[in-house]
Amino acid sequence: AQTVTQSQPEMSVQEAETVTLSCTYDTSESDYYLFWYKQPPSRQMILVIRQEAYKQQNATENRFSVNFQKAAKSFSLKISDSQLGDAAMYFCAYRVPNYGGSQGNLIFGKGTKLSVKP
Amino acid sequence: NAGVTQTPKFQVLKTGQSMTLQCAQDMNHEYMSWYRQDPGMGLRLIHYSVGAGITDQGEVPNGYNVSRSTTEDFPLRLLSAAPSQTSVYFCASSYSRRAYETQYFGPGTRLLVL
Repeated sequence: AQTVTQSQPEMSVQEAETVTLSCTYDTSESDYYLFWYKQPPSRQMILVIRQEAYKQQNATENRFSVNFQKAAKSFSLKISDSQLGDAAMYFCAYRVPNYGGSQGNLIFGKGTKLSVKP
Repeated sequence: NAGVTQTPKFQVLKTGQSMTLQCAQDMNHEYMSWYRQDPGMGLRLIHYSVGAGITDQGEVPNGYNVSRSTTEDFPLRLLSAAPSQTSVYFCASSYSRRAYETQYFGPGTRLLVL
């Protein structure tokens, strides 16, 4: 069974600094997608970034980038120039690929709570 | 587009009561799903649907029923609420079940069962 592990329940970063959130996953599939979702205090789930397993290049979205290490099954999120609005829960998620009975379903890690200090 | 909407935002139930959590989307999405979020547990899949008339169980389906009579709506029913069902419930949808499709989440329903 696929699993997603976020080993850091809480992290803290100084405003304008860089922080990296860790995520590892376990799968026997070769093609899949990985996601980072942000959940601010409003509870709304917001997609931050996604990565296709077949793509070598790490995904980037403005101040957010990932370090995808397929062999190590690692998918970390780097937030550069941290802002107060980045304070939130961050969830790593894996989406079952395009075959099998449970395709399309997201599997989430337990989350990392990020605090940003002014 | 309103996106994914959920009602109610907050509900208090007594043990044994029944209720339906509503979810609707106006994006003509084929795939819809329900998750529950508990402290320290992330989000766990309850039920999902790949189209009108087609539903299936997720990781934690016990105590919940779903149906999908239209593309737009995917209600979640609690037939006899239990304190263990106290949680925050999220509905999500995507255009299809393909892995690359972005899932859009509703704002959540907070449920307290006494």
